[in-house]
Amino acid sequence: EVVMTQSPATLSVSPGERATLSCRASQSVSSDLAWYQQKPGQAPRLLIYDASTRATGIPARFSGSGSGTEFTLTISSLQSEDFAVYYCQQYNNWPPLTFGGGTKVEIK
Amino acid sequence: EVQLVESGGGLVQPGGSLRLSCSASGFPFSTYSMHWVRQAPGKGLEYVSTVNTNGGSTYYADSVKDRFTISRDNSKNTLYLQMSSLRTEDTAVYYCVNIYIRVVYWGPGTLVTVAS
Repeated sequence: EVVMTQSPATLSVSPGERATLSCRASQSVSSDLAWYQQKPGQAPRLLIYDASTRATGIPARFSGSGSGTEFTLTISSLQSEDFAVYYCQQYNNWPPLTFGGGTKVEIK
Repeated sequence: EVQLVESGGGLVQPGGSLRLSCSASGFPFSTYSMHWVRQAPGKGLEYVSTVNTNGGSTYYADSVKDRFTISRDNSKNTLYLQMSSLRTEDTAVYYCVNIYIRVVYWGPGTLVTVAS
């Protein structure tokens, strides 16, 4: 099973600042990596798939990069609606699908 | 447009059973594996189970093995999760998930609460 590790667990950022979230896989997952945003009481919202492709309707301030075992989600200028929990997921080697433990982006 | 809609959640006592359904549309259902993922209150995302295209191959997380059964009816474009011997720790929102042309699609989820 591919183990996904996200860091940091919590990221405190001021509105308008840049946020950088990391996700590491225990073995190569090529570019088969998705990023999600989740707010309380809501289903995960797909932001990025294929490591760097923005999903439909996702603002350009969200960008993904990386391949193999190291991945990054960057939010270029945090808006108030971006404070949430973010998860990464690999879909290269399944079953099982595996997820990172999440990064909570909070207001500094 | 791909749509996944779960149903069947509710309140059940420990030791009880429940069957979840996921109605799928917008993609060739019978040619794609399907998955269940859950999220307990305040916790992260947890993989539950996978079924292949014809239902002949299934996979389960250790936490649900021998208690849950995944299946599908390709004539109805529907995925199922039969849950038995339910425990309080099975309380979660259950999501139906599909990977179609490299995009991961999720349903809105259905809440299962196991409590006496």
